[in-house]
Amino acid sequence: DAGITQSPRHKVTETGTPVTLRCHQTENHRYMYWYRQDPGHGLRLIHYSYGVKDTDKGEVSDGYSVSRSKTEDFLLTLESATSSQTSVYFCAISGGDRGRLGTRTDTQYFGPGTRLTVL
Amino acid sequence: QQQVKQSPQSLIVQKGGISIINCAYENTAFDYFPWYQQFPGKGPALLIAIRPDVSEKKEGRFTISFNKSAKQFSLHIMDSQPGDSATYFCAASITSGGYQKVTFGTGTKLQVIP
Repeated sequence: DAGITQSPRHKVTETGTPVTLRCHQTENHRYMYWYRQDPGHGLRLIHYSYGVKDTDKGEVSDGYSVSRSKTEDFLLTLESATSSQTSVYFCAISGGDRGRLGTRTDTQYFGPGTRLTVL
Repeated sequence: QQQVKQSPQSLIVQKGGISIINCAYENTAFDYFPWYQQFPGKGPALLIAIRPDVSEKKEGRFTISFNKSAKQFSLHIMDSQPGDSATYFCAASITSGGYQKVTFGTGTKLQVIP
């Protein structure tokens, strides 16, 4: 949905290089999340944010860091990419008021994803 | 430890048939059970959701059946159409204010054949 964008949409990088993925929202939702999606595992939470500069770890946070300097942007950084981090990464948001994405405040809304390949 | 188990992994249904996807959970603290639909190259999108105080919820051709005592819930797609071909994820979450701690199932790839 246009209310959540992710960049880049595709990236190929080499082992050991740093990578930063960006999630941008225009919905003013308080909570933002980073998930990775792998076959047989569904979606697994990496990190989440509950406000500007407020973040916490999810179940698969090792090797990842995040930052949120303003409400609309949530960055995911792989400090030194490894082949095990090849995945599709999704950003999600929740906790907003009525907006273009819908009226539900109890639902996570997902971005279009970033496909990352680490060679 | 997987807290939400989803089956089957894949499903092929003829057009007009009923598609059924099942999920089971362990944590009785879950208070919200959404189903997401995902098309190739897209992010998951909310399809339908239910709270544990309701045994069934229907929206168009999509119905969630919820059995609290058995800790199971299922998605039924009536009159399945080729356009329903997608991956479906069940989920269970604990909601606190606007924050949701969501646990997803592993997904079911549905193919509806003409």
